[in-house]
Amino acid sequence: DTAVSQTPKYLVTQMGNDKSIKCEQNLGHDTMYWYKQDSKKFLKIMFSYNNKELIINETVPNRFSPKSPDKAHLNLHINSLELGDSAVYFCASEGLASNEQFFGPGTRLTVL
Amino acid sequence: GQSLEQPSEVTAVEGAIVQINCTYQTSGFYGLSWYQQHDGGAPTFLSYNGLDGLEETGRFSSFLSRSDSYGYLLLQELQMKDSASYFCAVRDRGWSGNTPLVFGKGTRLSVIA
Repeated sequence: DTAVSQTPKYLVTQMGNDKSIKCEQNLGHDTMYWYKQDSKKFLKIMFSYNNKELIINETVPNRFSPKSPDKAHLNLHINSLELGDSAVYFCASEGLASNEQFFGPGTRLTVL
Repeated sequence: GQSLEQPSEVTAVEGAIVQINCTYQTSGFYGLSWYQQHDGGAPTFLSYNGLDGLEETGRFSSFLSRSDSYGYLLLQELQMKDSASYFCAVRDRGWSGNTPLVFGKGTRLSVIA
């Protein structure tokens, strides 16, 4: 059983398009995150959700909009895609009082 | 600002021991973690230090000195499969499991025969 899953694994699209990435965790965790990993492998937090509520929104353009329909899902919608959005996006989840974050397999987004 | 410094690359021989250092400067400190990431894969948790000292898990150990804002990951009996990127990460906003991690830029470890 996959603990944290993401779809799609690969996403190739044109500049200006709108796309979504889905994330689901079956660990019963209350907290979910979106991280972005750039071409130099630098991992940076984008959003943090706790029990469907947005906790942290780092300095991310408002073209990025997370949505959490329930605490097991955290989706990421991106409007008007730009070349600089090309990266690997990782979803992660964590339980309260935990020291371990569980990462999904990542979605490699390529904007042409 | 916040920064975590770790070497960008390390090469070591199979069977040897390697130490990857991490120094941090963050607005808050609530523990140092280490994650491993193979090429094309996801980061996976290796260890966590909330207090000073050494934590051991099999071939891997991690150390923390809060007074020095310093930690390291020690890998013993290196195997080829240990070739990967290793990230130190600090939780800077709170102890509980709903605060994100601030990651270092990663150390690429190459294990050679």
